[in-house]
Amino acid sequence: DQQVKQNSPSLSVQEGRISILNCDYTNSMFDYFLWYKKYPAEGPTFLISISSIKDKNEDGRFTVFLNKSAKHLSLHIVPSQPGDSAVYFCAARSGTASKLTFGTGTRLQVTL
Amino acid sequence: NAGVTQTPKFQVLKTGQSMTLQCAQDMNHEYMSWYRQDPGMGLRLIHYSVGAGITDQGEVPNGYNVSRSTTEDFPLRLLSAAPSQTSVYFCASSYPSRGGTEAFFGQGTRLTVV
Repeated sequence: DQQVKQNSPSLSVQEGRISILNCDYTNSMFDYFLWYKKYPAEGPTFLISISSIKDKNEDGRFTVFLNKSAKHLSLHIVPSQPGDSAVYFCAARSGTASKLTFGTGTRLQVTL
Repeated sequence: NAGVTQTPKFQVLKTGQSMTLQCAQDMNHEYMSWYRQDPGMGLRLIHYSVGAGITDQGEVPNGYNVSRSTTEDFPLRLLSAAPSQTSVYFCASSYPSRGGTEAFFGQGTRLTVV
């Protein structure tokens, strides 16, 4: 029973356009949601997070939107750059930062 | 500033062998965790610790042991390696905050069991 789902395994976007990565969850007890970026042969690195009491958080080119009623969140990257090409994981936290539940990841390719 | 350091980076084991994956962090984080990443499965939590002397099981703990004798170190032991344990293992550490504090990950250990 996967509590965090990323239904798109891959996404290709042109440089300069918007990238939208989606994530759905089932557990209403999740209180924080995080996005991680992962390059090959490296560990995941934190990108942006959002509390379950907010509906939007912005950091530079990255914005995360949370729709709690739909149990859906999305990561928007504007404008997309070639260096953004990586695997993006959505993760959810329930009460403690030591236990994260991850989605299966979406591979983003930003083309020239 | 080393952050989270995992050793070794690569390891090949024979079925039935045991080994310890090392994880050390220099950020004085209370929380540490072990995850495994498999194709199509994302990262799954194996074991975690909320402080020295305190550990608990995650989603996929079978076949693994952990201990936390110091704040800095959180080794993961494979008792009798099986091909199903072929995976990439990540160690993570974080602050004990109820806020949105993120976990910091090591670079991973790629383990192959033959």
